[in-house]
Amino acid sequence: QKEVEQNSGPLSVPEGAIASLNCTYSDRGSQSFFWYRQYSGKSPELIMSIYSNGDKEDGRFTAQLNKASQYVSLLIRDSQPSDSATYLCAVNKGAQKLVFGQGTRLTINP
Amino acid sequence: DTEVTQTPKHLVMGMTNKKSLKCEQHMGHRAMYWYKQKAKKPPELMFVYSYEKLSINESVPSRFSPECPNSSLLNLHLHALQPEDSALYLCASSQEAQGDGYTFGSGTRLTVV
Repeated sequence: QKEVEQNSGPLSVPEGAIASLNCTYSDRGSQSFFWYRQYSGKSPELIMSIYSNGDKEDGRFTAQLNKASQYVSLLIRDSQPSDSATYLCAVNKGAQKLVFGQGTRLTINP
Repeated sequence: DTEVTQTPKHLVMGMTNKKSLKCEQHMGHRAMYWYKQKAKKPPELMFVYSYEKLSINESVPSRFSPECPNSSLLNLHLHALQPEDSALYLCASSQEAQGDGYTFGSGTRLTVV
């Protein structure tokens, strides 16, 4: 079992719709969870962090964490073509060691 | 200043060359990292420096040699690389706390010929 698992996609969503990205992790002791956005040929950019069960909202982005189910998700409301990118889920395993999922490639269709 | 600066942005080197990648941050972060990313793959951790000391080496071949001259600088010395080492090399930094996400630099695109 991979430490952090994501559906690699591609996920195609019409402009203006909600994009839903999912991630599961194997280490029940993990405490910190992150979503990064990576445009092709560019470096990852941190867009959301979440540490407690429940929802965390920042603009059009909402991160959801369910530690009992070992599940993290990212919702993007009112999706824009500029949201087309690969989204990486990352889990902090302690000792500053961040482990990434494979990434989900998201395409927003105008 | 909320940036991590990496130089050079692109590097082409022969298998017998010696080169260095450089990374600099002025955010007061005490942990710095080197990651390697191949095309369509996630970043893979190579090294972690915490308070200028190497704390994690993910069994990286000795042809990659990290160095942390001070709290703001991180280098990666390269020697006798192989073509399969061609990748995007990412530097990142974070506060010295388990809960913090990383700030990544723009990366160095390395091609070994």
